[in-house]
This record gives sequence, C-alpha cells and structure tokens, in this order.
Amino acid sequence: GQSLEQPSEVTAVEGAIVQINCTYQTSGFYGLSWYQQHDGGAPTFLSYNALDGLEETGRFSSFLSRSDSYGYLLLQELQMKDSASYFCAVGGAGNMLTFGGGTRLMVKP
Amino acid sequence: KAGVTQTPRYLIKTRGQQVTLSCSPISGHRSVSWYQQTPGQGLQFLFEYFSETQRNKGNFPGRFSGRQFSNSRSEMNVSTLELGDSALYLCASRPGQGNDEQYFGPGTRLTVT
Repeated sequence: GQSLEQPSEVTAVEGAIVQINCTYQTSGFYGLSWYQQHDGGAPTFLSYNALDGLEETGRFSSFLSRSDSYGYLLLQELQMKDSASYFCAVGGAGNMLTFGGGTRLMVKP
Repeated sequence: KAGVTQTPRYLIKTRGQQVTLSCSPISGHRSVSWYQQTPGQGLQFLFEYFSETQRNKGNFPGRFSGRQFSNSRSEMNVSTLELGDSALYLCASRPGQGNDEQYFGPGTRLTVT
C-alpha cells in the first residue's frame, strides 16, 4: 500500500517563505504531485516531480528525493490568497493517486 | 476549453437509496478518476477509467461502481447508501495515462440522512 505524512497545519505571515514537507511509503512510485484546495473549492494542480530535484513554477517550488522518500513544497512571497489546504500525492499503478491528509496553511497579515 | 463538470452539485438522499453522479471530462481527456473526500478520511481514490475500461479500483465496497462512456463521460453509482457515504465526490480528468497533472471538477456534495 501507500501512505503519506504531512503536517496538519502551518501558519506563516504575508511575504514570508513556508515549506510543507511530505514523506511517503509506497509499493510503487510514479511521481509526487502537489495540489492546492481552497475551502469549498476543488483541488488544483501545482506541481509534479518524477525525478529527484527541484521544480520551480513562479512563487512555488517542489522538491523530491526518491532515496529519502521525501518531498516538499516551497511557497515564497506568501500572499493572503495562499491560505488553503495543500496536498501531496503519490502516483501509483493505473493512474491511482494516493493523497496525504493535507496541510492547512494560514497566512496572516 | 471548458473544465471538468460534475452534476449534480448537491444531493440529499436517504439511507438505503442509491445515487448516480455524473462527470464530463475536459474535451480530449480520456482518463477519468473518482475520489471521495471527507473530513475524517481525506481524499481517497475510488476508481479510474481510461477508454471505457476500469483500470484501477480503490479500497471501497462493491456498493460503489462506475462506468465510462465512449465520449469519455463517466458516472459513478452508490447503492444502498449509508450515513458514512456523505462526502464530496470529486471527478478528475487527464489527457493520457501519465501520473502527472489531473484536472478536478467542482465535486458533488452528497448528504445521506
């Protein structure tokens, strides 16, 4: 099976940098994804790492270390609109995504 | 392109009833996945269809079933509803068979009373 661990809640101030960690245990690994979900909304894709290293997309970056079964999402220049839940997800066989429990990010002024 | 659409958006059913939810993927997307989201269990994979074939199924009882049509639209059905089936049911589509970006619909909020 597959399981993912991420912190349940993180608080940061506007303009700061925050890192959300994700560790996983999988029987088959097909990449690590990150999704953002605002309250009442649908998850939206942020990033995907299939190989080790850092992927950068604007203010968001995602890192993967397959040997450590670990990844993180880095959010820079935090804005109030970044307050949301962030999910890491591991891809498995048959396009099955297993999601972590989600990290609720609260950005304060 | 229009996004993933799901109907209905909200639904209230009684225990023991059955329900059918519908999902229309983004045009050209052949893979449709279904997820259940609850506060206690988070986002859980239900099943995935590609070209009308179910390729994978999550750890849910047989009361949960689905299908995909030739136009890639998908339906999921839950029979003999239980209170614990109350959840947000999300559909996601992707163009191919990779494990990268999925596009989620707004979900159907099902309440079982």
